[in-house]
Amino acid sequence: GQNIDQPTEMTATEGAIVQINCTYQTSGFNGLFWYQQHAGEAPTFLSYNVLDGLEEKGRFSSFLSRSKGYSYLLLKELQMKDSASYLCAVMAKAAGNKLTFGGGTRVLVKP
Amino acid sequence: GAVVSQHPSRVICKSGTSVKIECRSLDFQATTMFWYRQFPKKSLMLMATSNEGSKATYEQGVEKDKFLINHASLTLSTLTVTSAHPEDSSFYICSARGRESNTEAFFGQGTRLTVV
Repeated sequence: GQNIDQPTEMTATEGAIVQINCTYQTSGFNGLFWYQQHAGEAPTFLSYNVLDGLEEKGRFSSFLSRSKGYSYLLLKELQMKDSASYLCAVMAKAAGNKLTFGGGTRVLVKP
Repeated sequence: GAVVSQHPSRVICKSGTSVKIECRSLDFQATTMFWYRQFPKKSLMLMATSNEGSKATYEQGVEKDKFLINHASLTLSTLTVTSAHPEDSSFYICSARGRESNTEAFFGQGTRLTVV
């Protein structure tokens, strides 16, 4: 099976930086995804990492270390609209390339 | 990114009736579609995976006869909740993936089902 852990909640101030960690245990790792989900809406794709290193996309960056089973999503210059849940999801060949989601991290951005 | 359309976005039905939810890929051929269920403030739980033209593969604990999935074409999959009960009330989300199995899956808008 797969085990994916991420913090339940985080609070940060507008304009600041927040880092959301995700650790996973899986066999046949085939990529890690980060999604943003606002309440009552479907998830929207943020990033995909399959090789070690940092992927930067505007205010959002995602890092992966396959040897450590670890990823983080970095949100810079936080805006109020960034208040949402952030879902870490792992794809594994052993699971037929299905996505297994972590519990999600609710980020609250305060003024 | 690719577009996946899910319909309806909200539905209220009476206990004992059946509800059908559609998931369409609008600009690509979805060889695989996934159906998820999400409870409030919880993450997505995969219910089943459907490949075009074949039977769906259900996750452990998901009743096949209650949640009927049909993936008859490369652009449409349907989930039918049969004999609905109040405990079936939830947010149901589909996602679709194209031919390359390691690419991202695009999500539909979700369907809020309320059974009264």
